[in-house]
Amino acid sequence: DAGVIQSPRHEVTEMGQEVTLRCKPISGHNSLFWYRQTMMRGLELLIYFNNNVPIDDSGMPEDRFSAKMPNASFSTLKIQPSEPRDSAVYFCASSSTTGVSNQPQHFGDGTRLSIL
Amino acid sequence: QKEVEQNSGPLSVPEGAIASLNCTYSDRVSQSFFWYRQYSGKSPELIMSIYSNGDKEDGRFTAQLNKASQYVSLLIRDSQPSDSATYLCAVNFGNEKLTFGTGTRLTIIP
Repeated sequence: DAGVIQSPRHEVTEMGQEVTLRCKPISGHNSLFWYRQTMMRGLELLIYFNNNVPIDDSGMPEDRFSAKMPNASFSTLKIQPSEPRDSAVYFCASSSTTGVSNQPQHFGDGTRLSIL
Repeated sequence: QKEVEQNSGPLSVPEGAIASLNCTYSDRVSQSFFWYRQYSGKSPELIMSIYSNGDKEDGRFTAQLNKASQYVSLLIRDSQPSDSATYLCAVNFGNEKLTFGTGTRLTIIP
């Protein structure tokens, strides 16, 4: 079975440019999570969706970050304009949830983002 | 605020010995608990889940949960160099989210 698929694997861009990260969750999973990981702050939850609806975006650092989930098989995380402090590894994860979740999350391989 | 705490390490264990990783959490109503392994430059990989008090064994791994004391631990028997990684404890506090600890870096010394 295919796992969570993220693209691109690596992204290097200049400050001020728009960055779009993509995620395809595991088929049948109804919750999707975007995380950011840095050495200083560890793994941080940015936003999560349940049944394509954003449930909690309290982890989104500022208005430059936005996320969408137009259907059950695709989500994007966009940064506009990008800044050097956005450099990190961004993970997407998905899980199957019904009410109070007991199901683990499964992670994609991540996107390593470098903003110059 | 709901928190998950782990000793950041590094924890060094001789090959063949038992590695013991500990995690404490802040909320008694927590429902489910997970251990993830993360190799350097890779994504977190689920290795154990536990939902009720007691021990759960899977191969060389044993997860232990004590809800009264609010801790969960992971034991790795017959440690191998390939077990060298960062181990993340994650707790579900009653919604779809997982709260992760900062991870314990484990090194197995040949």
